[in-house]
Amino acid sequence: QSVLTQPPSVSAASGQKVTISCSGSSSNIGNNYVCWYQQFPGTAPKLLIYDNNKRPSGIPDRFSGSKSGTSATLVITGLQTGDEADYYCGTWDSSLSGVVFGGGTKLTVL
Amino acid sequence: QLQLQESGSGLVKPSQTLSLTCVVSGGSISSGGYSGSWIRQPPGKGLEWIGYIYHSGNTYYNPSLKSRVTISVDRSKNQFSLNLRSVTAADTAVYYCANRSGFDAFDVWGQGTMVTVSS
Repeated sequence: QSVLTQPPSVSAASGQKVTISCSGSSSNIGNNYVCWYQQFPGTAPKLLIYDNNKRPSGIPDRFSGSKSGTSATLVITGLQTGDEADYYCGTWDSSLSGVVFGGGTKLTVL
Repeated sequence: QLQLQESGSGLVKPSQTLSLTCVVSGGSISSGGYSGSWIRQPPGKGLEWIGYIYHSGNTYYNPSLKSRVTISVDRSKNQFSLNLRSVTAADTAVYYCANRSGFDAFDVWGQGTMVTVSS
């Protein structure tokens, strides 16, 4: 059971928009920065979003992040088949004194 | 740019110690702002943070693993290491080393190494 809650799977058609939610509490998302990672099968995760809504160099602006209260959201627009992957949210948890991750969301592009 | 590479035993017997090393290239562990981290992923499951070590040498561990984990750094070799004691089958996972940047963002990852705990 992960500290952060994500939907196990989401799907949307190519070219459309998809949102992935990440729900937590005041001890984690509510008072700390959120990151998002993209992971393809058999490869290491890749940082997509940091500090709630910032993109590392090289990440397309089709990927955006936001945070409101104790929830965070990853939005992917202009979906491509190459976006099919697992997506994880992560943040610091002040009560646990450690980094916590969501259980991951598998994105399927129809 | 910064690159990380894990190495170590891929098979560990139950009750023994899992030992992995992460070699850092393209940057110095001794530089300010660097934090070496370990994260693992059991087969078919999600990510679990193990801990990290600041360039200062201070360490932070996952409370659920703290009693069994040690992360250390060897600045002369530009590498950091993970020791996980008294392993069980539940410790079977792909182990990643990563650089922690800013507010707990893992911005550079190693390719990962699979460790199986089995007799």
